[in-house]
Parts: sequence; C-alpha cells; structure tokens
Amino acid sequence: GENVEQHPSTLSVQEGDSAVIKCTYSDSASNYFPWYKQELGKGPQLIIDIRSNVGEKKDQRIAVTLNKTAKHFSLHITETQPEDSAVYFCAATLNYQLIWGAGTKLIIKP
Amino acid sequence: SAVISQKPSRDICQRGTSLTIQCQVDSQVTMMFWYRQQPGQSLTLIATANQGSEATYESGFVIDKFPISRPNLTFSTLTVSNMSPEDSSIYLCSVDQGAGYGYTFGSGTRLTVV
Repeated sequence: GENVEQHPSTLSVQEGDSAVIKCTYSDSASNYFPWYKQELGKGPQLIIDIRSNVGEKKDQRIAVTLNKTAKHFSLHITETQPEDSAVYFCAATLNYQLIWGAGTKLIIKP
Repeated sequence: SAVISQKPSRDICQRGTSLTIQCQVDSQVTMMFWYRQQPGQSLTLIATANQGSEATYESGFVIDKFPISRPNLTFSTLTVSNMSPEDSSIYLCSVDQGAGYGYTFGSGTRLTVV
C-alpha cells in the first residue's frame, strides 16, 4: 500500500526566511497531494494541494512542487511570519483515502 | 468549502462508559471519514462512512468498539464504546468534497478517559 514519508520532523526558521518541507510517496497511482496546517487545538486545515498532472502550484507565500518521476513533493513557504508556526502534514490520495505523513512542526523565531 | 460542526469539543469520561461524537456538515457529501489523532502524532483513519451502507473499518478498528451511524448525507456519529485510558485521543471527522475542494476537517473532539 501507499506510504508517505515527511521530513524534517521539526523545522526552526528565522522570521522572514523561507521554509521547505519535503515528502515522498511510494505508490505511483496516487494522484492528489494536499498539504494541511494544524494549529493547537484545531483540526487540520487545507492550505494548498496539487494534482498529478501539474508540476507546481503557488498561492501567495506558499507553493507546492511535485516530481512524479521521483515520487516526491515539497511545500515552500516564503517570507515566514509568526502565524505560520504550526504543524504541517503532507498527504497522498489513493482510492479516495488520504495517506498521511508524520507531520512537521514549524517554529518561526522572532 | 463545507463547514463541519463537531460535538463535543472535549470530554472527560469514566472508563467502561461510551461517548458519541457528532459531525454535522452544512452541505450534502458522499463520503465522511473518522480519524483518531494521538497528541503530537499524525492522523489514523478509523473508518469511512457512506450514507446507506455499513461503514468500512481500517485494520485495527472494529465496529463493536467504534460503531458509526450515517443516517443522511449531512450527518454522522462515531461512538467510542467501553472506553479505556488507551482511547484518550483526539477524534476528527472529515468530508471529501470532490475535485478541487479537497478534504475538510471538523475541529476535533479531545477525549480523556480516566
């Protein structure tokens, strides 16, 4: 079955710098790759997603890239701000089910 | 995107009792999902609930322990039965809104079993 690996588990960056979180997946049949942000005490919130027929997608300060050949996708956050501090999860969809990465705790240092 | 109301937001329960968690969606959706999330961990799918059919449970989860109802296209409940401290966790419902909208989550139910 599908397996999703996410790195790093914790990422600490200076406010204003960029943050990159990487995920790899195992099943080439996966075709939808969402990224979620989870703040303390809240449910995960979809922040950006990408489908397998697209290589890159951008929404203001966040972007996602997908390399189907290598089976990896990445989340890029530029000009980080204190409110970006949260846990970020990547996922891959196979047969309508989300297979989750382990999560990355992003810490924005003032 | 859909808005999900999940209740209760938190509860402290005695071992051996049961708790029913409700999930109300503001639009009709075909597929609803129930997840468990241990503190600091990723999400684990418990079951998929489709209206008009039995829920499909993932490995390690059984209907007797986690019965699910899905009476219509906007509502579902998950019951955690005969609770033990190991059931202490966050329980989340989620819906699949189809192409272009992704999966939306409720705010979760934080359960503590004492």
